Amino acid sequence: DGGITQSPKYLFRKEGQNVTLSCEQNLNHDAMYWYRQDPGQGLRLIYYSQIVNDFQKGDIAEGYSVSREKKESFPLTVTSAQKNPTAFYLCASSRQGPNEQFFGPGTRLTVL
Amino acid sequence: KNEVEQSPQNLTAQEGEFITINCSYSVGISALHWLQQHPGGGIVSLFMLSSGKKKHGRLIATINIQEKHSSLHITASHPRDSAVYICAVNKGAQKLVFGQGTRLTINP
Repeated sequence: DGGITQSPKYLFRKEGQNVTLSCEQNLNHDAMYWYRQDPGQGLRLIYYSQIVNDFQKGDIAEGYSVSREKKESFPLTVTSAQKNPTAFYLCASSRQGPNEQFFGPGTRLTVL
Repeated sequence: KNEVEQSPQNLTAQEGEFITINCSYSVGISALHWLQQHPGGGIVSLFMLSSGKKKHGRLIATINIQEKHSSLHITASHPRDSAVYICAVNKGAQKLVFGQGTRLTINP
């Protein structure tokens, strides 16, 4: 089945540790995105990538890093520099241009 | 002020009622999206539109570009429609700007 997957669904980490969230898609989409969702707030864009080996900062990139070495993969690293990392993280993909975005099931990160 | 505003923030209705959720935006857009987020967190795209009206089953989405306003309607609402409905706009080619969502609860 074509789709977008994120793993794990729940993740717990100690404060000060870096953690990497996985996002994989087999939809052959060029563009991929990482969003953060906090209670009572809309989704906010962390990073996006329009093509392999290229990515741009979104609105809240500080404390996060990404890579796009393969078309189907766009992992997000939450570094220890992120002041408040506990949140729900969603990955999405789309074709180029203003197109429908397909979302993964999300990863709920809790930093203890 | 948010660039995308939704109303109401919360809506509770009885099964069978006609539901309207509104979205206003303050920026130029190339497209507008309606999304549905289920209690588990997964998000599904319902509509993408740049003009006029679209219908899918009991869901109808309209957009008025001049007034910078869109509505999502649900006819014959059902408890399984209970979810958070999110409006989002394409400011540029790729990036989406999201509203805060409308939490809809349909009681049997």
